[in-house]
Parts: sequence; C-alpha cells; structure tokens
Amino acid sequence: NAGVTQTPKFQVLKTGQSMTLQCAQDMNHNSMYWYRQDPGMGLRLIYYSASEGTTDKGEVPNGYNVSRLNKREFSLRLESAAPSQTSVYFCASSDGTSNYGYTFGSGTRLTVV
Amino acid sequence: DAKTTQPPSMDCAEGRAANLPCNHSTISGNEYVYWYRQIHSQGPQYIIHGLKNNETNEMASLIITEDRKSSTLILPHATLRDTAVYYCIAVSAGGTSYGKLTFGQGTILTVHP
Repeated sequence: NAGVTQTPKFQVLKTGQSMTLQCAQDMNHNSMYWYRQDPGMGLRLIYYSASEGTTDKGEVPNGYNVSRLNKREFSLRLESAAPSQTSVYFCASSDGTSNYGYTFGSGTRLTVV
Repeated sequence: DAKTTQPPSMDCAEGRAANLPCNHSTISGNEYVYWYRQIHSQGPQYIIHGLKNNETNEMASLIITEDRKSSTLILPHATLRDTAVYYCIAVSAGGTSYGKLTFGQGTILTVHP
C-alpha cells in the first residue's frame, strides 16, 4: 500500500517550459488536492477535485491547470513555467467525508530558472 | 474557516510531555480542530482531530476547552523524531470550504536530548 505517489521528486525547468506533475493514490479516496509550499511558509491550496470528474480552484490557481484522469490520478500542469512557481508541490487525498485525515505525498521540488 | 493562532516555536526535553497550544477564538459550532505535523519538508502527516470532546490516539491527545476557543495538542513522551512543524487547523464540516485545509505558519517544536 503506497498511499500517495508523486512523480517526479525533483525537477528543474527553464522559464517558459511546460511540465506535468503526476499524482496517484491507491486508497480509493474520492477527493484529491494540490498544494504548494514556499520556503518558510505554510501550504497553499492550488486546485482540488472533490470527486472523479470535478475540479475546482483553490487559493492560488493562476498559472496552473489540473486533470482528474480517473479516481486514482490527479495531475497538475504548468503551461509556461515562471520563477515565481519555484516551490515544493504536495499532492494529497482524502475519503471526502467529514474525515479530513488527508494523506500527503512526499512532494515534488520544482525550480524554475 | 476560523483563524488559528499558534506560538512560532517551542522547545521540549526528550521524554517529557510536549504541550502545543492553539487559539481559535472565532471557531463556529460546526468546525473541527485538526492537527498535522510536517517533519523536515516531508508531506504533512495527520495527527488527530476533534469537535468538542477530548480525543486520544496512538500519537497524541487533544484537549479542547469547554468554550472551544482554544485547544492543546499533547505528545505524552516526546522523542527527537517529534521535532517538526505542527499545524492547528479549523475545518468546516460543510459549505464552500468543505474538505479544504488552510495551513498557517504553525509551531516549530524542537525536542532536545
């Protein structure tokens, strides 16, 4: 039982390049989330998917797009990376009930130069 | 969701109880108090949550005051591995913020030998 798996773990992009961060969970959870964490800061919600087939914006959605490919997978795409998007990105999942005991992935450390 | 206030840092001796306070004076009746921790830039880890009653699990105890305006997370026998950032989060059981966690700055707990 792997929980939440994120790939890649590290990535360096040049300004203007695009990439997709992958996230998969094997807990049959309904809800999935993407957060970013800047140095010395708490996590901020980018996008979330309450259930398969739905996605909604969080606190900081600009510059990102998401796809809930199926119940297991929730990807985050940067179409044209900017240095301001240098951050650590965490994916999380929950069963979508009143239990907010999220399970987080180990993170993707992204640097945009 | 209600704003929470935590001290920026605390110290604790190994083997002693660590008591982490959280103020949530504007919490509403349907908001839960959740605690997460983040060890050295790993993904946050769920610890415990509660609504009105005190709660205990294998990791910690949560004491919520009768007026629900504050709470305390207790790690009964702190170890060096408990050194982490601890986040106290108030979460609505429904509405537009359903399922979304808002992370503040948290408390940096340092456990000393």
